[in-house]
Amino acid sequence: SQQGEEDPQALSIQEGENATMNCSYKTSINNLQWYRQNSGRGLVHLILIRSNEREKHSGRLRVTLDTSKKSSSLLITASRAADTASYFCATTSGANSKLTFGKGITLSVRP
Amino acid sequence: NAGVTQTPKFQVLKTGQSMTLQCAQDMNHEYMSWYRQDPGMGLRLIHYSVGAGITDQGEVPNGYNVSRSTTEDFPLRLLSAAPSQTSVYFCASSSGPLPNEQFFGPGTRLTVL
Repeated sequence: SQQGEEDPQALSIQEGENATMNCSYKTSINNLQWYRQNSGRGLVHLILIRSNEREKHSGRLRVTLDTSKKSSSLLITASRAADTASYFCATTSGANSKLTFGKGITLSVRP
Repeated sequence: NAGVTQTPKFQVLKTGQSMTLQCAQDMNHEYMSWYRQDPGMGLRLIHYSVGAGITDQGEVPNGYNVSRSTTEDFPLRLLSAAPSQTSVYFCASSSGPLPNEQFFGPGTRLTVL
């Protein structure tokens, strides 16, 4: 069963705007990761945030983690048409070596 | 480095046929895994391996077998293909025994008639 659930399922914005995507999960986690998938391609790792971290940045990406609310958000600033893709959150929990993915968010950035 | 490679890219099978999806990585990664991706379902873990000689089941293991005789290779075997196994299959690897940053292959699109 999926641990993470992304919200919204689909997001359409204008180039230059910021895109915010959310992920909620059910059980305590070790870390949470965000991945991007362009149409017809494999997934690409974007960022990993550990359970003892609250915020991480990577270029135009900002990820926050609120363990009390069991949720994470991915912010893409100054979006570009090339950011059009599906975005997935994934979590690991306890001693479990399994990485569990959510169903994904489809982001469309209009030129 | 080639990263994670998968073969074939496309495959059509008839119900009941068997086949092996190949996955190889040249990054000396300990952790390797297989996922299937179906529309609206995200990625679901089939099997994973934390090192050569060690494999374990994921969320949807039925109908699939794996082995890990070398660090580099992690083949996925479909024993008797069923239409429900029509999907896109992704192999991934990461360093260390835990699934941290994973590197994904390009995928295999499988259709079972």
